[in-house]
Amino acid sequence: GAGVSQSPSNKVTEKGKDVELRCDPISGHTALYWYRQSLGQGLEFLIYFQGNSAPDKSGLPSDRFSAERTGGSVSTLTIQRTQQEDSAVYLCASSTTIGPQHFGDGTRLSIL
Amino acid sequence: DQQVKQNSPSLSVQEGRISILNCDYTNSMFDYFLWYKKYPAEGPTFLISISSIKDKNEDGRFTVFLNKSAKHLSLHIVPSQPGDSAVYFCAATHTDKLIFGTGTRLQVFP
Repeated sequence: GAGVSQSPSNKVTEKGKDVELRCDPISGHTALYWYRQSLGQGLEFLIYFQGNSAPDKSGLPSDRFSAERTGGSVSTLTIQRTQQEDSAVYLCASSTTIGPQHFGDGTRLSIL
Repeated sequence: DQQVKQNSPSLSVQEGRISILNCDYTNSMFDYFLWYKKYPAEGPTFLISISSIKDKNEDGRFTVFLNKSAKHLSLHIVPSQPGDSAVYFCAATHTDKLIFGTGTRLQVFP
């Protein structure tokens, strides 16, 4: 499809496990963003990529969170030793240099 | 410190009438503002944006107004349609990341 693709759409895992979330941006979009939305909250910025580099990681909540982007395209967000407060919808967005951000449908992460 | 605020968690409007969604911000460095619409289980969809150098931008039924002195923006939808029922997020930026409000749930009833 032409939009931002995220997988899995849903993930249920036990506390303490590691999870990996994937984002496939719109073709040609150089910028890629990760956000999360906890229950009843607005969207919270996590990290931003321009190409393969991450000039802004200021939103990552702890060192258990990391992200990478390879080939200027696909990005993965990894959460190690998951905690219950990590439960949220994780949203990925991509954009051109000057255009608005376009979002995927997110990964709903539930930590038991 | 919430830099972008949407103080009305919900709004109910009759079909055909005008919907007005409001947003306030505190950071005078913001230079670009956007509105997104979100249906359940879907990602936010970009609706309309405005640069800080303008005070109005119109796209079909959607108009965004910006009052920089009041640090306030609003989204007008007219006429409102049942398909407009969704959560609307205001967002602002001055670098690249978006700072979002907590959203307003709009319900348009027949």
